[in-house]
Amino acid sequence: GAVVSQHPSWVICKSGTSVKIECRSLDFQATTMFWYRQFPKQSLMLMATSNEGSKATYEQGVEKDKFLINHASLTLSTLTVTSAHPEDSSFYICSARDPQGRAGVGSNTEAFFGQGTRLTVV
Amino acid sequence: SQQGEEDPQALSIQEGENATMNCSYKTSINNLQWYRQNSGRGLVHLILIRSNEREKHSGRLRVTLDTSKKSSSLLITASRAADTASYFCATQRGGGGKLIFGQGTELSVKP
Repeated sequence: GAVVSQHPSWVICKSGTSVKIECRSLDFQATTMFWYRQFPKQSLMLMATSNEGSKATYEQGVEKDKFLINHASLTLSTLTVTSAHPEDSSFYICSARDPQGRAGVGSNTEAFFGQGTRLTVV
Repeated sequence: SQQGEEDPQALSIQEGENATMNCSYKTSINNLQWYRQNSGRGLVHLILIRSNEREKHSGRLRVTLDTSKKSSSLLITASRAADTASYFCATQRGGGGKLIFGQGTELSVKP
């Protein structure tokens, strides 16, 4: 089946520093990836849609200069949390869709999720 | 809010019992999907039901969809302690893959 790998799985950083999170599709090419944020005991909130070779599309209320997204290749999207503050502490999850539906699961509408990154800003 | 509603928010049952979770959404959809999340982990896709389908089965899972009421239910039969997790419904409108998640139901199955 399709695999999406997210790295790191957890990170602790100091307030004011930047943190980069990677999301890779391992056995398929993903022209589109999605970044979600999840607070404890809450649901996933879509932050942005990452498009290969073009600018990301951000959801309302998400600061694009705060959360920089780069989708430089068909298998890698990165989310950089710039000048992180404690309120940015959260669980960040990426997902990708296999548009060709060739990843062994028979569907091109299923989203494959990374294992998530727990960010703690101190 | 982009979020749909799920109920109950939390459900505690004994092993062997059935668990039913409900999801309501606000807009027209192409499909509705159910995901499972173990604490602090990523999401695992469970089942997808298209807007022209009313019921779907996969192993111990049964999903229904009522587009007139904009609601769906997930039934897990003969639950096991290993089913303990959070369950989320997610709707997809277009073909781009963007998912809008419900609030989730935290299921606890006691051995």
